[in-house]
Amino acid sequence: AQKITQTQPGMFVQEKEAVTLDCTYDTSDQSYGLFWYKQPSSGEMIFLIYQGSYDEQNATEGRYSLNFQKARKSANLVISASQLGDSAMYFCAMAGGSEKLVFGKGMKLTVNP
Amino acid sequence: DAGVIQSPRHEVTEMGQEVTLRCKPISGHDYLFWYRQTMMRGLELLIYFNNNVPIDDSGMPEDRFSAKMPNASFSTLKIQPSEPRDSAVYFCASSYRDSRYGYTFGSGTRLTVV
Repeated sequence: AQKITQTQPGMFVQEKEAVTLDCTYDTSDQSYGLFWYKQPSSGEMIFLIYQGSYDEQNATEGRYSLNFQKARKSANLVISASQLGDSAMYFCAMAGGSEKLVFGKGMKLTVNP
Repeated sequence: DAGVIQSPRHEVTEMGQEVTLRCKPISGHDYLFWYRQTMMRGLELLIYFNNNVPIDDSGMPEDRFSAKMPNASFSTLKIQPSEPRDSAVYFCASSYRDSRYGYTFGSGTRLTVV
């Protein structure tokens, strides 16, 4: 079984600062993918970034990067230069060999001006 | 591509009534997923399909819930009879076999059972 843990219920960050959102996972699969999604107050689920378990480099997508530490089973999302529009719920998720995507409970990020 | 299309966006129904939620996945995607989101339970996977075949329905809460995918471009989630505790946002998502491209979610259906 797969499990995603996000322990930070909420975080506050000043605009233009970097912020790290924590995610740890547990799985018995050797091959798996890790995902981060953003859910703004409007409710849609927006795919941000993907990291494969065999990828040697940490994934990056614009201002988003994923700090993947396989031995520690962590997949933290780093947002550089926070913007007011980054205020949202953020969900970490993983999919193993079955392609079944399992989500963590999410955490709320608030960016202050 | 128009993305994953769900209908209706909002549904208010009375307890005991049948509710049908609809989803059109992205053309070419092999997988289709139904999720339910509530404050208490977060995002729960209800059921998913691969090439129109149900693979895992272990998340379906009880027999009142059923899902079908008669073809590659359409899926339904039905609740009969509906109960107030079914009130939630229901998301449909689809993906390619290679999940590195992400799972694309629809806008969701907000269901309220009164």
